[in-house]
Amino acid sequence: GNSVTQMEGPVTLSEEAFLTINCTYTATGYPSLFWYVQYPGEGLQLLLKATKADDKGSNKGFEATYRKETTSFHLEKGSVQVSDSAVYFCALSDQAAGNKLTFGGGTRVLVKP
Amino acid sequence: ETGVTQTPRHLVMGMTNKKSLKCEQHLGHNAMYWYKQSAKKPLELMFVYNFKEQTENNSVPSRFSPECPNSSHLFLHLHTLQPEDSALYLCASSQSPLAGGQGEQFFGPGTRLTVL
Repeated sequence: GNSVTQMEGPVTLSEEAFLTINCTYTATGYPSLFWYVQYPGEGLQLLLKATKADDKGSNKGFEATYRKETTSFHLEKGSVQVSDSAVYFCALSDQAAGNKLTFGGGTRVLVKP
Repeated sequence: ETGVTQTPRHLVMGMTNKKSLKCEQHLGHNAMYWYKQSAKKPLELMFVYNFKEQTENNSVPSRFSPECPNSSHLFLHLHTLQPEDSALYLCASSQSPLAGGQGEQFFGPGTRLTVL
């Protein structure tokens, strides 16, 4: 079956530091990959996506590249802000599984001023 | 209203109460989902509806009863819940794969449920 593994948190950073959250996946088909972000007290928001190998998703300064050879979709941001403090979820959807989302366990990120 | 809305945002109920959670999507999607998010546990998919038909029930106890009267509305009826059912309940919608959707789901803000 499909699965997503992401690094456990919490990740604590200072403002303007570089952020990387690792995500690897296993899938039987050719999945689409997503990063979602959940701010305190809110639902999940789609942050970025990539639908095929070598695609790069980007939004709000965050980037992730779909690497088929390493089955990875690591999230990066060059300079984080306090407002980036949230929980980040890596996820995949697979047409063979009816496009249901398979989520990683989430990584809490805390950015200190 | 835009996106996916959920009401109420917070709900406290006793174990003998009956209540309902409501979700509405304004995105023209035709698939809707209920998820349960508990502290320190992975996100759990509960129910899936495609074109108003339930296509998945992930072994959810019968004290949770979903209803999807049309493609824009989804309800979760609750009765005789247990304290361990306290969680954040999230609704999501997407374009069905049958209609060309690529899997991205759009979530509502959730209902924080506390069962006393």
